[in-house]
Amino acid sequence: AQKVTQAQTEISVVEKEDVTLDCVYETRDTTYYLFWYKQPPSGELVFLIRRNSFDEQNEISGRYSWNFQKSTSSFNFTITASQVVDSAVYFCALSEGGRGSTLGRLYFGRGTQLTVWP
Amino acid sequence: NAGVTQTPKFQVLKTGQSMTLQCAQDMNHNSMYWYRQDPGMGLRLIYYSASEGTTDKGEVPNGYNVSRLNKREFSLRLESAAPSQTSVYFCASSERWGSGDEQFFGPGTRLTVL
Repeated sequence: AQKVTQAQTEISVVEKEDVTLDCVYETRDTTYYLFWYKQPPSGELVFLIRRNSFDEQNEISGRYSWNFQKSTSSFNFTITASQVVDSAVYFCALSEGGRGSTLGRLYFGRGTQLTVWP
Repeated sequence: NAGVTQTPKFQVLKTGQSMTLQCAQDMNHNSMYWYRQDPGMGLRLIYYSASEGTTDKGEVPNGYNVSRLNKREFSLRLESAAPSQTSVYFCASSERWGSGDEQFFGPGTRLTVL
């Protein structure tokens, strides 16, 4: 079973629209970490944010914001006033902090391709 | 400070050939990882090294071997390449194992096996 589900395979928006990328995760650990990475067309992976399971505060960084809700096991990412440069594949990922065999591994979702049109 | 570097950037192999992908990091990180990325599949962990001197299997280890040469370097070897190993390979490193530290990724190696 997928530990991280990104149900939206592709999203297209027009510049200046707001867009939310969904991420649902699954874990039995009480300690875990959630990440978002961006992969622009050039191919490299760029770290955007890390959240631990004990910190449910939402975070805002410029036009980016993240909504972490343990009750729904979701860690959604919103881009406000999108720009063409936001076009990329965005990955959500989970790392479990328990003592099991999955400790330390980073599990990625399949990614959401965001295209922002001018 | 180059971060994580990988060589080569591109490689074409014939079925049955062998090759080694090289990875080095200059951030004094303890943990290193190899992932493969296939279309629509996200990144999947092949092997990892929690610390110098240790290596362990990830989700998709079959057909690969690794060597943690020293704290800086972690190589991935394909002994007999198969078309199913056509993929983009990423090396990554993090400061500590199992602490939720951010992983820093290299630029990737695009491998095609004919």
